[in-house]
Amino acid sequence: GENVEQHPSTLSVQEGDSAVIKCTYSDSASNYFPWYKQELGKRPQLIIDIRSNVGEKKDQRIAVTLNKTAKHFSLHITETQPEDSAVYFCAAISDGTPLVFGKGTRLSVIA
Amino acid sequence: DTGVSQNPRHKITKRGQNVTFRCDPISEHNRLYWYRQTLGQGPEFLTYFQNEAQLEKSRLLSDRFSAERPKGSFSTLEIQRTEQGDSAMYLCASGHRGQGYTFGSGTRLTVV
Repeated sequence: GENVEQHPSTLSVQEGDSAVIKCTYSDSASNYFPWYKQELGKRPQLIIDIRSNVGEKKDQRIAVTLNKTAKHFSLHITETQPEDSAVYFCAAISDGTPLVFGKGTRLSVIA
Repeated sequence: DTGVSQNPRHKITKRGQNVTFRCDPISEHNRLYWYRQTLGQGPEFLTYFQNEAQLEKSRLLSDRFSAERPKGSFSTLEIQRTEQGDSAMYLCASGHRGQGYTFGSGTRLTVV
């Protein structure tokens, strides 16, 4: 089955700097890669996703890149703000299967 | 629809007791998923339904766990003879095949 590795497990950045979180997956059939943000005590919320037919997707300060050959994808957050502090999870899915999540990255944005 | 609803939000139970959680998904979503999340970990898949059919169960789901989705609407997750290791956040999510999910707020179970 699919296995998703995520790193780093913790990341601290200064406000205004960029943050990058990386994930690798094992199943070459995986074709959908969402990213979730989970604030303390709250539900995971989908923030951006990418499909395997696209190499990059951007939404304001958030972007995701996908390298199918290397089987890795990354989340990029630019101009970080204190409200970006949360745990971020990557996930992967092949058509019809349940999402497999990484273990999460705790991002701290220091004002 | 205001989203995925889960009840109760918190449950404290004594070891050996049975507990049941409920999830009401977004009505137009035909898939409903149960995940378990422990502190510092990502959500771990337990089981999922497409309409009323239970399509897959994780090996994490012991015989003490059972889930139902009668009529393809709400779902229940029952844990029998609870153990301390069952303490976790139980998350329900709904969505469509091959797409991202919408999660509920979860039920936090504490077994004492």
